[in-house]
Amino acid sequence: GENVEQHPSTLSVQEGDSAVIKCTYSDSASNYFPWYKQELGKRPQLIIDIRSNVGEKKDQRIAVTLNKTAKHFSLHITETQPEDSAVYFCAASIGDNYGQNFVFGPGTRLSVLP
Amino acid sequence: SAVISQKPSRDICQRGTSLTIQCQVDSQVTMMFWYRQQPGQSLTLIATANQGSEATYESGFVIDKFPISRPNLTFSTLTVSNMSPEDSSIYLCSVNDRARGGTEAFFGQGTRLTVV
Repeated sequence: GENVEQHPSTLSVQEGDSAVIKCTYSDSASNYFPWYKQELGKRPQLIIDIRSNVGEKKDQRIAVTLNKTAKHFSLHITETQPEDSAVYFCAASIGDNYGQNFVFGPGTRLSVLP
Repeated sequence: SAVISQKPSRDICQRGTSLTIQCQVDSQVTMMFWYRQQPGQSLTLIATANQGSEATYESGFVIDKFPISRPNLTFSTLTVSNMSPEDSSIYLCSVNDRARGGTEAFFGQGTRLTVV
C-alpha cells in the first residue's frame, strides 16, 4: 500500500521568511496530492492540492511542486505570518474511484515566530 | 463544498463501554470515511463506508471493535466497542465530492474521546 513520509516534523521560522515542507510517496499510481492545515483543536482543512499531470500550482503565498519521477512533492509558504502556525499534513491518493481515501503523512508542526 | 456535522464533539467514557459517533452530511455522498487521530499524530483511516454494503476496514481495524452503519447516503455511525484507554483519540468522519467532480476531502469537527 501507499506510504507517505514528511519532513521536517517541526519547523520554526521568523515571520516574513519562507517555509518548505517535503513529502515523498511510494505508490506510483497515486495521482492526487492535497495539503491540509490543522489548527489546534480544529478539523483539517485543504489549503492547496495538485494533480499528477501538473508540476506546480500556486495560490497567493502558497505553492506546491510535484516531481512524479522522484515521487516527491513540496509545500512552499512565502512571507509567513503568525496565523500560518499550525500542523500541516500532506496526503496522497489514487483518485480514479468515486470517493477516494487518503494516506496522510505524519505532519509538520510549523511555528512562525513574530 | 460539503458540510459535515459530527457528534458528540467530545466524551469521557468508562473502559469496557461503547460509544457511537454520528456523522451527518448536507448532501448525498457515495462513500464516507472514518479516521482516527491519536494525540499529536497524523490521521489514520479506519474504514470506508458505502451505503448498502459492508464497510471496508483497513489493516489493524476490525468490525467487531469498530462497527459502522451507513443507512443512507447522508449519514453514518462509527461505534467504538469495549473501550480501553488506548482508544482515547480523536475520531473524524470525512467525505469528498468526487461524485460531483471534486476531489477535496471535507472533515467533520471530530469527536474527542477519552477513556478512563
